[in-house]
Amino acid sequence: DAGVTQSPTHLIKTRGQHVTLRCSPISGHKSVSWYQQVLGQGPQFIFQYYEKEERGRGNFPDRFSARQFPNYSSELNVNALLLGDSALYLCASSFGGGNTGELFFGEGSRLTVL
Amino acid sequence: DQQVKQNSPSLSVQEGRISILNCDYTNSMFDYFLWYKKYPAEGPTFLISISSIKDKNEDGRFTVFLNKSAKHLSLHIVPSQPGDSAVYFCAASPNEKLTFGTGTRLTIIP
Repeated sequence: DAGVTQSPTHLIKTRGQHVTLRCSPISGHKSVSWYQQVLGQGPQFIFQYYEKEERGRGNFPDRFSARQFPNYSSELNVNALLLGDSALYLCASSFGGGNTGELFFGEGSRLTVL
Repeated sequence: DQQVKQNSPSLSVQEGRISILNCDYTNSMFDYFLWYKKYPAEGPTFLISISSIKDKNEDGRFTVFLNKSAKHLSLHIVPSQPGDSAVYFCAASPNEKLTFGTGTRLTIIP
């Protein structure tokens, strides 16, 4: 079975641009979460979606937005990119509806902002 | 405000010996704790977890201990194997919104 897939794997943008990152969860998983991992730090929670509704949002500015589609895939959008947005963006999926936190992560999308 | 702390950025252990990774937390609302392992160019992989109602959970070579009064948990790996070399993240959760530590890089020396 396919795991969590993310695209693109690497991308380079310049300050002020916009980026869209995509994620397909494991088949049967209804919850998708997004995390940002800056070099040398642990992943930081950005968003969680369950059944297409936002379940939680971390401490990120409004430039960050996300949505979940009827097939449970998800997009993370970041507007007006800053140098500090350079990071590995991780998508994770789970069955949802519970609170165990056992998430399945994709390999991530590495964003570099110049 | 670092609610989950891993104070050792790196640890080297000889193959066959025990590896002990430590983690401290500050938020009393955390009720579920997890360890994830990360290889370069891969996403984190779930390793083992423990609920706050327990003080120990074992899975093969991996054991997690939780000391709620000290707000401390540890991961024991025994015996350590070369394939265990990776970055280990401690994470805590009151739900599926995980708070991660900064990670400990474990190197197993053959």
